[in-house]
Amino acid sequence: QLVESGGGVVQPGGSLRLSCVVSGFDFTNYAMHWVRQAPGKGPEWVAIISKDGRSKHYADSVKGRFTISRDNSKNTVTLQTNSLRVEDTAMYFCAKDQGTTYFQTWGQGTLVAVSS
Amino acid sequence: EVVLTQSPATLSLSPGERATLSCRASQSVDYYLAWYQQKPGQAPRLLIYDASNRAPGIPARFSGSGSETDFTLTISSLEPEDFAVYYCQQRTDWLYTFGQGTNVEIK
Repeated sequence: QLVESGGGVVQPGGSLRLSCVVSGFDFTNYAMHWVRQAPGKGPEWVAIISKDGRSKHYADSVKGRFTISRDNSKNTVTLQTNSLRVEDTAMYFCAKDQGTTYFQTWGQGTLVAVSS
Repeated sequence: EVVLTQSPATLSLSPGERATLSCRASQSVDYYLAWYQQKPGQAPRLLIYDASNRAPGIPARFSGSGSETDFTLTISSLEPEDFAVYYCQQRTDWLYTFGQGTNVEIK
């Protein structure tokens, strides 16, 4: 099970810290992703973090503004979102990795709305 | 970046009919392609990975085929719960992309 939290309404330029708490599998054995989906659009991958947290990769659209991290002692993966833009408005899902290629299991998402 | 183009955008069919969905990649992705199903208000669900392998718990009526740049998802006989949006997805280098989706709707 993956449960996201931390979404909300924020003004352009603002920040939010999204969290995903995981249960039901050995968190330390899996890379984790954040994927977002704007209203009425298809999913868009945001970031991945390796099992040990040492390796991270980002979509070009968020590079330099978003930071992914994890705490293996708390089974939690976090997405720090800074300098938010209107176009960052979306449902943000965390997802369990499969083979660093696919998204095996998804949470239900947390909604981020960026508006003035 | 690899662009995935899905067709058709909408497929109108009746329960019991066969659905054939297409996904074309702008360059070869070998067989590293997945299909997801998404229902309104829900997260996507992994159906098929590595082009043709069903994820655990996915019914046998779902099958995937293809390689390189051309892929197909087939639903052999549509059940009422299969009417949804379907996305293909790939990873090349450290960039993951999705197609724009095919909406399978009840005719």
